[in-house]
Amino acid sequence: QKEVEQNSGPLSVPEGAIASLNCTYSDRGSQSFFWYRQYSGKSPELIMFIYSNGDKEDGRFTAQLNKASQYVSLLIRDSQPSDSATYLCAVNRDYKLSFGAGTTVTVRA
Amino acid sequence: DGGITQSPKYLFRKEGQNVTLSCEQNLNHDAMYWYRQDPGQGLRLIYYSQIVNDFQKGDIAEGYSVSREKKESFPLTVTSAQKNPTAFYLCASSILGDTQYFGPGTRLTVL
Repeated sequence: QKEVEQNSGPLSVPEGAIASLNCTYSDRGSQSFFWYRQYSGKSPELIMFIYSNGDKEDGRFTAQLNKASQYVSLLIRDSQPSDSATYLCAVNRDYKLSFGAGTTVTVRA
Repeated sequence: DGGITQSPKYLFRKEGQNVTLSCEQNLNHDAMYWYRQDPGQGLRLIYYSQIVNDFQKGDIAEGYSVSREKKESFPLTVTSAQKNPTAFYLCASSILGDTQYFGPGTRLTVL
């Protein structure tokens, strides 16, 4: 079992719709959770982090964490063509990050 | 202008050659990391350092070496023992235990 698994995608959504990205992790001792966005050929950039169960909102992005189910998600509201990228879920345990393989999102104009 | 720089942007290696990738940060971060990314895959940790003059192996350290003589610098050497080094190499830094921020990356190709 992989440490961090993401829905494989690609995910295609129309402009203005909600994109929903899912991530599960295997280590119950994981302490914090991150979503990075990576454009093709570029390095990852941080979108959001979340430490506690529940929802965390930042603009059009909402991260949701459920530690009991070992599940973290990212919602992108009012999707824009500029949101087309690969989204990486990362899980932190003892100062080390484990990454999922990423979900590629394409927003159709 | 604070940030993380990596050089070169593109690097070509011949068989049997060692090459060194540079990573510098002026964010005053204690921790620095090296990752490798292969097409369609997530990032895999090669080495990390939480303090000057100390570093630990990550998940795929074989064929790589690092040094941490200065807080600002964490160079990665890809040795000839690394049989499949073609990949995108990413350096990151963080305040210990906090969010990691990435440099722009170095794309290494074996000729």
